[in-house]
Amino acid sequence: DSGVTQTPKHLITATGQRVTLRCSPRSGDLSVYWYQQSLDQGLQFLIQYYNGEERAKGNILERFSAQQFPDLHSELNLSSLELGDSALYFCASSVAAGNEQFFGPGTRLTVL
Amino acid sequence: AQTVTQSQPEMSVQEAETVTLSCTYDTSESDYYLFWYKQPPSRQMILVIRQEAYKQQNATENRFSVNFQKAAKSFSLKISDSQLGDAAMYFCAYKESSGTYKYIFGTGTRLKVLA
Repeated sequence: DSGVTQTPKHLITATGQRVTLRCSPRSGDLSVYWYQQSLDQGLQFLIQYYNGEERAKGNILERFSAQQFPDLHSELNLSSLELGDSALYFCASSVAAGNEQFFGPGTRLTVL
Repeated sequence: AQTVTQSQPEMSVQEAETVTLSCTYDTSESDYYLFWYKQPPSRQMILVIRQEAYKQQNATENRFSVNFQKAAKSFSLKISDSQLGDAAMYFCAYKESSGTYKYIFGTGTRLKVLA
């Protein structure tokens, strides 16, 4: 158990819908990263937050957005969902941006 | 931009034997970190081993060791005395030492362990 929690574990929804994925970092970690893993692919970096502020963006679609709240938990919002958005979404956290990242168990999103 | 390449989509090894998984990367940086992650069917990302680029000594963790060749930009993982529980996807990852510190992952190697 890495100490990073993600909810829900599984999510099934329809095309065009909007969902929110939640991540609680390890206690004391200020930095949160979101990654997307499509079937049989490596993880692709989406976005990073540090202490509530967006630090970097990767291959994140405009339909996707995220934020980190004052209690340091983070949410990833996915809207106008398409079939291709079906994937495993990982959150990772670290004490500071340069430290080792610890991964949560992921949220499996299925878009039908 | 940095890239990570794992050229072996799938590997098989006999139980108790040794297997080496390959990884190459491309970067213009001199300071960075490299990792091997294991992803079993549960999909949890489990850190296997890490290497700091400034360290010449190869990292070792029990049955897992790496062969880090900085000039060749190669970072292979050797698993000794393979066990059935080693069966998983293995991902090589590169981490910047500045900037976003994001991880860049390879596409993975699926390791099968044969009894």
